[in-house]
Amino acid sequence: EAGVTQSPTHLIKTRGQQVTLRCSPISGHTSVYWYQQALGLGLQFLLWYDEGEERNRGNFPPRFSGRQFPNYSSELNVNALELEDSALYLCASSLVVGGYEQYFGPGTRLTVT
Amino acid sequence: RKEVEQDPGPFNVPEGATVAFNCTYSNSASQSFFWYRQDCRKEPKLLMSVYSSGNEDGRFTAQLNRASQYISLLIRDSKLSDSATYLCVVKQNFGNEKLTFGTGTRLTIIP
Repeated sequence: EAGVTQSPTHLIKTRGQQVTLRCSPISGHTSVYWYQQALGLGLQFLLWYDEGEERNRGNFPPRFSGRQFPNYSSELNVNALELEDSALYLCASSLVVGGYEQYFGPGTRLTVT
Repeated sequence: RKEVEQDPGPFNVPEGATVAFNCTYSNSASQSFFWYRQDCRKEPKLLMSVYSSGNEDGRFTAQLNRASQYISLLIRDSKLSDSATYLCVVKQNFGNEKLTFGTGTRLTIIP
């Protein structure tokens, strides 16, 4: 069974640009989560989507947004990139809400110059 | 105070030894608990869930103490392949699905 997939694997952008990251969950999983892992910092929760709806968001500015499509895949959009947005962006999926484990994709490494 | 606190290590342990990690969490509403491992520049992988009664998976044993808000992970007969960063992870009550991660404990197994 295929795991969570993410694209692209690496990305280099300049400050002020916009970026879109993509995630496909494990087949059958309806919930998708986005996390940011900046260098030397722990994983920080960004967004949670379930059944196409945004259910929760972390303490990030509105320029971080996303959506979930009917096939449960998801996009994370970051506008007006700042240098401190450089990080590994991880997507996770879980079967349904309610205590099920989250499984992570390999991440997209974003570098902002 | 951080929501999830771990000793960052590093722990340098000889092969075959037993090593224990501890973690404390601040939110008493937390309901689900996990240990993930993360290899360098890779994604976190679920190691095991932690249940109130404690649970074991091969060489790994996890314990939860709700009264003290404390989680532990014990690795017996450590292998070189156990070298990784171990992340303590907490989730609040059902319906709030965000995971809160500790910053991780780095473990290196020495031949």
